[in-house]
Amino acid sequence: AQTVTQSQPEMSVQEAETVTLSCTYDTSENNYYLFWYKQPPSRQMILVIRQEAYKQQNATENRFSVNFQKAAKSFSLKISDSQLGDTAMYFCAFWRTSYDKVIFGPGTSLSVIP
Amino acid sequence: ETGVTQSPTHLIKTRGQQVTLRCSSQSGHNTVSWYQQALGQGPQFIFQYYREEENGRGNFPPRFSGLQFPNYSSELNVNALELDDSALYLCASSSPLAGAEGEQYFGPGTRLTVT
Repeated sequence: AQTVTQSQPEMSVQEAETVTLSCTYDTSENNYYLFWYKQPPSRQMILVIRQEAYKQQNATENRFSVNFQKAAKSFSLKISDSQLGDTAMYFCAFWRTSYDKVIFGPGTSLSVIP
Repeated sequence: ETGVTQSPTHLIKTRGQQVTLRCSSQSGHNTVSWYQQALGQGPQFIFQYYREEENGRGNFPPRFSGLQFPNYSSELNVNALELDDSALYLCASSSPLAGAEGEQYFGPGTRLTVT
């Protein structure tokens, strides 16, 4: 069975600084997708970034980038130039194949401090 | 393009009662998944519907059931409510298009409180 672990329950970062959120996962599959989702306080969960396991190049979306280490089964999220609006719960998620369930990690609560 | 909507926003029920939660998927999305999110935890997969058929189920008892309609909207039904069913219930739809595999588009959720 696939599992997703986020070892940092809470993190904080100063505004304009860079922070990295960690995620590890366990799978015997070779083809899968990884995601980071953001859930702001009392607001909808939204997709931040996705990574296809067959792609070696790390995904980047504006200030958000990932460090995907397939052999180590590690998938960290780097947020550059942190903004107050980045304050949220961040969930790492794993998806194996079409129409299969998405497995979420327990989340990391990120606070951006002015 | 209309996003995922859920109703009601909040709900208070008594233990033993039954509840129905509703979800309208994003336009063009034919797959709907339901998740239970307890306070301070990640979403837990309940089940998924694809073209009106249940397509996968998580570790939830049979008193959790669902439906998907021809317009791809969906319902989650929970019978014999227990205190531990208190949670945020999230609906997510996903696109059949290539390049968006696995991406979940979430609704705002229904906060269910069982007393």
